[in-house]
Amino acid sequence: SQKIEQNSEALNIQEGKTATLTCNYTNYSPAYLQWYRQDPGRGPVFLLLIRENEKEKRKERLKVTFDTTLKQSLFHITASQPADSATYLCALGPMIYNQGGKLIFGQGTELSVKP
Amino acid sequence: GAGVSQSPSNKVTEKGKDVELRCDPISGHTALYWYRQRLGQGLEFLIYFQGNSAPDKSGLPSDRFSAERTGESVSTLTIQRTQQEDSAVYLCASSILGAGALNEQFFGPGTRLTVL
Repeated sequence: SQKIEQNSEALNIQEGKTATLTCNYTNYSPAYLQWYRQDPGRGPVFLLLIRENEKEKRKERLKVTFDTTLKQSLFHITASQPADSATYLCALGPMIYNQGGKLIFGQGTELSVKP
Repeated sequence: GAGVSQSPSNKVTEKGKDVELRCDPISGHTALYWYRQRLGQGLEFLIYFQGNSAPDKSGLPSDRFSAERTGESVSTLTIQRTQQEDSAVYLCASSILGAGALNEQFFGPGTRLTVL
């Protein structure tokens, strides 16, 4: 069955540094992968999507890479700020692009940015 | 509406009782999803609606769980004869389908269910 893993331990970094979160998956070939942010007591909020034929995607201070050979995505936050502290979830999309369907979520990595 | 809304925000019930959780998706969103999130865990898929049909119910954990959707609008998740292991946050999401859609899912705030 499909399996998706994120760093289970919380990531603590200093303000201004780059945070790097990892998402690994097995037994699946998603058409795309998404990253979400979740704050305590709230639902996840969509951040970025990267397609299987894309290597890298950027949005402001965020960068996502996608290596379908390694079956891994890396999520970077540059110049991190305390307001970036949250749990970040990666999610695998269906195997067919532009179709609906369930997302397979990782368990999330908690990021804490200290001032 | 402006976003996905869910009600109630909190529900405390006794073991064996039935509960109904409601989701109002964003207007015009064809797809609707229910997920469950246990404390400290990721999201566990329950069911997906496209319009008012459910092409994927594979995540419903038992026949005590059922869901329905009226048109492309409100959805209700029903849990019968609740058990303590049903305690979790139940999240609803909606998305646009079709050409160019990214299946970006917009989540509601969730319903926190506690079964005593």
